[in-house]
Amino acid sequence: DIQMTQSPSSLSASIGDRVTIACRASENIITYLNWYQQRPGKAPTLLIYGATNLQSGVPSRFSGSGSGTDFTLTIDNLQPEDFATYYCQQSYLTVPYTFGQGTNVDTK
Amino acid sequence: QVQLQESGPGLVKPSETLSLSCSVSGGSIRRHYWSWLRQVPGKGLEWIGYINYSGHTVYNPSLKSRVTMSMDTSTNHFSLKLTSVTAADTAVYFCARELFGGLPEFWGPGILVTVSS
Repeated sequence: DIQMTQSPSSLSASIGDRVTIACRASENIITYLNWYQQRPGKAPTLLIYGATNLQSGVPSRFSGSGSGTDFTLTIDNLQPEDFATYYCQQSYLTVPYTFGQGTNVDTK
Repeated sequence: QVQLQESGPGLVKPSETLSLSCSVSGGSIRRHYWSWLRQVPGKGLEWIGYINYSGHTVYNPSLKSRVTMSMDTSTNHFSLKLTSVTAADTAVYFCARELFGGLPEFWGPGILVTVSS
């Protein structure tokens, strides 16, 4: 299985901050990398797919970058509704499609 | 906008079969891929498998021997069966529509299933 490792596991930030979350795959997944946001008690929502493509309806302060094994989710100008847990997920070729362990963004 | 809703028992006894259904509204299940995922409370996410518009299924190898997915196009539902459950199968189960294979796009709200005697 392809292992997905996120860093950090948690971070504290303030409104207006720029936040960066890293995700590393255990092997080359080209750009088959997706990012999800999950608020407490809710289902995940898709933010970014294919490493860099913003899902329809997602604010432009969210962006993704990377290819191969190293990827980044960036949130510019952090807003109150962005305090949540973020997961990366790989959807490359063969199953299982695996998720990172999550990064919790909370208020400083 | 497509909406999904999981339903089924919230409590299943060990060694029995977990059966869940996902109702889809706002779109036909004759298109797209449809998947199940789960999340142990307070833990990460696990992709269980998908079924596509022609009924073709792909499962997570770690669960493959116990999982069956099916779909009913007449009622716009698709279903999950997981046999021989243990406490380790206690989780919130989500159904989802996939943008591409392995890429859940729209999710249901989830249903907590507890395995306990």
